[in-house]
Amino acid sequence: DADVTQTPRNRITKTGKRIMLECSQTKGHDRMYWYRQDPGLGLRLIYYSFDVKDINKGEISDGYSVSRQAQAKFSLSLESAIPNQTALYFCATSEPGTGLYFGPGTRLTVL
Amino acid sequence: QKEVEQNSGPLSVPEGAIASLNCTYSDRGSQSFFWYRQYSGKSPELIMSIYSNGDKEDGRFTAQLNKASQYVSLLIRDSQPSDSATYLCAVFSGGYQKVTFGTGTKLQVIP
Repeated sequence: DADVTQTPRNRITKTGKRIMLECSQTKGHDRMYWYRQDPGLGLRLIYYSFDVKDINKGEISDGYSVSRQAQAKFSLSLESAIPNQTALYFCATSEPGTGLYFGPGTRLTVL
Repeated sequence: QKEVEQNSGPLSVPEGAIASLNCTYSDRGSQSFFWYRQYSGKSPELIMSIYSNGDKEDGRFTAQLNKASQYVSLLIRDSQPSDSATYLCAVFSGGYQKVTFGTGTKLQVIP
């Protein structure tokens, strides 16, 4: 089984809808991250969490919120989706000093 | 100036040749450096990490770090068509509080 899983893998939605992307990990890592990737812009950090009680905004948090339900679960919500939130979204985990381990990604399209 | 810079490419090399990928970073306090490989539509995969000046070898991959020049590189020996992908440089700084990715270099290995 994959160490980092994301659901759904693909989602098409309409402007104004609320969307939740979920991430689960079995690696036992405390740190979890949400990134989005757009062509030519690379990976941009949305939110990160170093433990269940520690949640921090990344460089592009506007329009997004997160919830760390447990050490192993970190969800990303788009309260009112807009077309420029169309992107590939990745969840990642890490331990201090190690690289990030990414989930398979969620391709989100907002019409 | 971008915090982590990579030439977007594409870098084209013939099969069997050495591919050389480069990355520069702006934060002199950066502590850890990572290389990721990303196939189109897939998630980034951690392939190399390096923490101190010099070279680190793992199979066909060699990572090189020069902190004085703020430069990190990845060499791929005996390049194979399966190495064709985008390679991302990642830099950790601020006590692993901050992770910054470059936008990646696209490598094409020509059979």
